[in-house]
Amino acid sequence: AQSVTQLGSHVSVSEGALVLLRCNYSSSVPPYLFWYVQYPNQGLQLLLKYTTGATLVKGINGFEAEFKKSETSFHLTKPSAHMSDAAEYFCASSAYGQNFVFGPGTRLSVLP
Amino acid sequence: GAVVSQHPSWVICKSGTSVKIECRSLDFQATTMFWYRQFPKQSLMLMATSNEGSKATYEQGVEKDKFLINHASLTLSTLTVTSAHPEDSSFYICSAGRGPNSYEQYFGPGTRLTVT
Repeated sequence: AQSVTQLGSHVSVSEGALVLLRCNYSSSVPPYLFWYVQYPNQGLQLLLKYTTGATLVKGINGFEAEFKKSETSFHLTKPSAHMSDAAEYFCASSAYGQNFVFGPGTRLSVLP
Repeated sequence: GAVVSQHPSWVICKSGTSVKIECRSLDFQATTMFWYRQFPKQSLMLMATSNEGSKATYEQGVEKDKFLINHASLTLSTLTVTSAHPEDSSFYICSAGRGPNSYEQYFGPGTRLTVT
């Protein structure tokens, strides 16, 4: 069975500061991992994904994430937060493309 | 590319009526479509998976007679909430999978359903 946990339901950072959103997964098979962003009353937009190969993946809007198998983690980072980054972020796991499982989400606030 | 639309974006209906939500993949053929439900300030919960031309597979605890899913073509899936009640009020999001493994899912903008 798969599961995804996100440490911190709410993270606040100052504009220009480092963004770090944590995601840990549990999977009996090598997972595919995703980060999505959701703005209020909108659907989900894919930020980046890891399937195989390079463990450091770069996504849109300056975000990147690193797959660390030993730590079963896939944390999302951005060097410098922007006001427009304020949103809800979801980490998700998929085993062989099946059974998509979402984490509980982390709400990111960016303070001026 | 890979755009998914949903219609309507929001709907208000009276208790006891039925509501149909459409999910369309606009520029690709979706081998699989997924329906999710999202309560306020919560994550997405998968309701069902549908493949074109076959019956949907519902997640445990989801009433298949209440949430009717039809995947009539490779670009259209519909979710009908039958005999809606206020507890069915929620944000419903569909996604479409492209590719043989469907691990790439593209999400629609969601439909806000309010049952009065």
